[in-house]
Amino acid sequence: RKEVEQDPGPFNVPEGATVAFNCTYSNSASQSFFWYRQDCRKEPKLLMSVYSSGNEDGRFTAQLNRASQYISLLIRDSKLSDSATYLCVVNWGGGFKTIFGAGTRLFVKA
Amino acid sequence: ETGVTQSPTHLIKTRGQQVTLRCSSQSGHNTVSWYQQALGQGPQFIFQYYREEENGRGNFPPRFSGLQFPNYSSELNVNALELDDSALYLCASSLDRQGLSGYTFGSGTRLTVV
Repeated sequence: RKEVEQDPGPFNVPEGATVAFNCTYSNSASQSFFWYRQDCRKEPKLLMSVYSSGNEDGRFTAQLNRASQYISLLIRDSKLSDSATYLCVVNWGGGFKTIFGAGTRLFVKA
Repeated sequence: ETGVTQSPTHLIKTRGQQVTLRCSSQSGHNTVSWYQQALGQGPQFIFQYYREEENGRGNFPPRFSGLQFPNYSSELNVNALELDDSALYLCASSLDRQGLSGYTFGSGTRLTVV
C-alpha cells in the first residue's frame, strides 16, 4: 500500500462545477497535512493546510478525517484557472518525512 | 522577501558522473528539503536538513547526499549517476522542521542523465 494515495485522474469538469478530491494516508502518526497545486512544468505551490476542524479559503474547502485517515479537497464554482495537478501532502515524524501523493490532474473546460 | 532559488535550471550529465545541485532557502527559513520528481509523478522525498544536520531521509541510496550551510543554503550531491536519476529536483524551505507552515519550493533543476 502506498503511503499516500490520491484519486486517479484526470478529472474533466465544466466551468462552474463542483469537484472533490480524496486522499488517504497509511501512517496514523501523521501530523500535518496540506494540499499543493502544481501547474505544468512548474514547482508545487501551497494551496492550503488541512486542519482537523476543516478549513475553507474562498472556493476551496479542505477536510481531515483522522479516524479514517483521509483528506479531501472540495473546489466550488470551478474556473478555467483551476486546471492543474493537485497534490496531497502528509508529514510525519515531526515533519521529518514529507510524503506527496502522485497528484490528481484537473481540467476545467469552458 | 526572496523566495527559494535553485541552480542550475537544467543540466545534462553522463552515466557514472557526479552532480551537485544548489539551493538558497527563503529568507528566515531554517529547514531545507530535497525532492525528486519524475515525469507524471508526485515529488519523492529525498532528505531534509535542519540547522546543518540531516534529520529525515526518504528511500534513496547513500549516493544521494547533501549539505546545509550556516546561511541555510543547501546542496544535493548525487554520485555514480544512473539513467533513472533523470528527473526534476526540487528544493523546498520552511520556517520550521515540522513543516507546519508548509513549504516554499524553488523552480527546480531538470537533470538529464545520458
